[in-house]
Amino acid sequence: GESVGLHLPTLSVQEGDNSIINCAYSNSASDYFIWYKQESGKGPQFIIDIRSNMDKRQGQRVTVLLNKTVKHLSLQIAATQPGDSAVYFCAETLNTGGFKTIFGAGTRLFVKA
Amino acid sequence: DSGVTQTPKHLITATGQRVTLRCSPRSGDLSVYWYQQSLDQGLQFLIQYYNGEERAKGNILERFSAQQFPDLHSELNLSSLELGDSALYFCASSVSRGSVTQYFGPGTRLTVL
Repeated sequence: GESVGLHLPTLSVQEGDNSIINCAYSNSASDYFIWYKQESGKGPQFIIDIRSNMDKRQGQRVTVLLNKTVKHLSLQIAATQPGDSAVYFCAETLNTGGFKTIFGAGTRLFVKA
Repeated sequence: DSGVTQTPKHLITATGQRVTLRCSPRSGDLSVYWYQQSLDQGLQFLIQYYNGEERAKGNILERFSAQQFPDLHSELNLSSLELGDSALYFCASSVSRGSVTQYFGPGTRLTVL
């Protein structure tokens, strides 16, 4: 498949373990924070979002934590599966009358079977 | 399959040329977003249209322009192409102008020789 980026940080986990992917964001005025998953040769896929006035949000097998004090966002994936192998991007959005989205650099998650 | 379609899938052209990338949003979505993904710059937001009107602008070069037509499809025009414009160009759509959940198309890979 096509390579999204050649020099991304990589996280390697064993199948069944929990994964934690971290992200630092830049703008205190961001309204929402979002995690996207991008598999090789595909466009980004929305995973979960969290509003700026929340600290934690849970989805199916995923949890997003937001620490506004240190401008840190994390994505926790429970019971990681081989299908979770992909590049994960955090993004922050600014409501400017439209929605301007700023993406982080991405982390490559590799799940070992 | 996100429901967002982009054509062409691949495009190879020469420096100085002009190309048009096309995007059809998901049925019922009124907002269209354009992104550029390159190895050195990552995923960059270019521009958003909502129901035919420009709503948000990112790091879009003056050589680039976009529009959204009455049937809601969108086109991204890239002119005076340079080698550095080689990248993946993604279109995304959402229901409203401020919807966090964006659905990405498969992308157009542009190669400028």
